[in-house]
Amino acid sequence: DAMVIQNPRYQVTQFGKPVTLSCSQTLNHNVMYWYQQKSSQAPKLLFHYYDKDFNNEADTPDNFQSRRPNTSFCFLDIRSPGLGDAAMYLCATSRVGLSGGASDYNEQFFGPGTRLTVL
Amino acid sequence: GIQVEQSPPDLILQEGANSTLRCNFSDSVNNLQWFHQNPWGQLINLFYIPSGTKQNGRLSATTVATERYSLLYISSSQTTDSGVYFCAVVPPFGNGNKLVFGAGTILRVKS
Repeated sequence: DAMVIQNPRYQVTQFGKPVTLSCSQTLNHNVMYWYQQKSSQAPKLLFHYYDKDFNNEADTPDNFQSRRPNTSFCFLDIRSPGLGDAAMYLCATSRVGLSGGASDYNEQFFGPGTRLTVL
Repeated sequence: GIQVEQSPPDLILQEGANSTLRCNFSDSVNNLQWFHQNPWGQLINLFYIPSGTKQNGRLSATTVATERYSLLYISSSQTTDSGVYFCAVVPPFGNGNKLVFGAGTILRVKS
């Protein structure tokens, strides 16, 4: 089945120690997203890739970086994790068109998430 | 930016009861999705419904785009329906199909 896969499901890191989370997809979607979700809150978009074009949200801290080496894979790098970065990190994908019409916007699919603990 | 409001914030049901969750949004939308977040944190797609009505088993959803709201109906609720239900929308001129989430409705179904 086509799907969005995230690894690892649980990640423990130390304060200040860089960590990388990975996401892969078999849906062949052109857009990939990273969301951060803290306890009892809604997911919050960090950034997204439209094909190879990186789009950062205005309030995403510089501590968060992303790479998309090919269509299938996307990585989230946290350069110096702080205690406040402990959260669930969700990857999602979507197919977005360029016709300028409503058909450009399609369903977004999420992976199972990576729960990050910072000690 | 667009505002997405969900009600009620919390809901407790007895198993077998029916419920209606509401999502109001402050502007026209290009996309609207309903999700169920399970206890393990995964967001499960329920409906992609920018307009109209859809049904999937015990669940159905209706979006009235002209009046800027969507409803999620859960019939004959089961304990496995417990979790958080999110409504999320893509506002007009939404760059990259970015979803804006409501705060969610926490549903608890008691046996």
